[in-house]
Amino acid sequence: EAGVVQSPRYKIIEKKQPVAFWCNPISGHNTLYWYLQNLGQGPELLIRYENEEAVDDSQLPKDRFSAERLKGVDSTLKIQPAELGDSAVYLCASSLNKDEQYFGPGTRLTVT
Amino acid sequence: SQQGEEDPQALSIQEGENATMNCSYKTSINNLQWYRQNSGRGLVHLILIRSNEREKHSGRLRVTLDTSKKSSSLLITASRAADTASYFCATDAGNMLTFGGGTRLMVKP
Repeated sequence: EAGVVQSPRYKIIEKKQPVAFWCNPISGHNTLYWYLQNLGQGPELLIRYENEEAVDDSQLPKDRFSAERLKGVDSTLKIQPAELGDSAVYLCASSLNKDEQYFGPGTRLTVT
Repeated sequence: SQQGEEDPQALSIQEGENATMNCSYKTSINNLQWYRQNSGRGLVHLILIRSNEREKHSGRLRVTLDTSKKSSSLLITASRAADTASYFCATDAGNMLTFGGGTRLMVKP
């Protein structure tokens, strides 16, 4: 069984530029999560999807962050424009039964 | 904001020794989970303990939960160098996991 796939694995951009991250969850998992993880800290939830519906996006900075999961399968997280403080690892996870979450390897973003 | 707080923040032991990590949290929970993260990788689910359970075992892992003290502990017995990683507790208070800051474990061969 393939795990959660994320791309790219690494991204370096200049501030004020846009950036997008892609996630393909495990087949059949209808719940998808995007997390932000700063160095030396635990992940923090940005948004949770049930199929194509964003059911919890209270922690998503909506002035510059957006996400979509149009067909209820893969998802894209976008930042526009990026700021220096956005440098972090962006993790995607999926789950089937809302207990155990399966994480992808993450995208490490560096904003210069 | 992070509900769970792990203690210690870092732990260094010799191979073969036991490692104990603690987690404290603030609000009522449905379950508490422990995850492992190797450097540069995503998190891997280790074990889940529900609010009505007090202890759970999985291989060399033992987890306890004390809801009256709002705390949990993870014990790794007979540690191996491959156990070197960061360990996070995560509390589920209803469809959302809140992670702590993690314990960085180093097991020296």
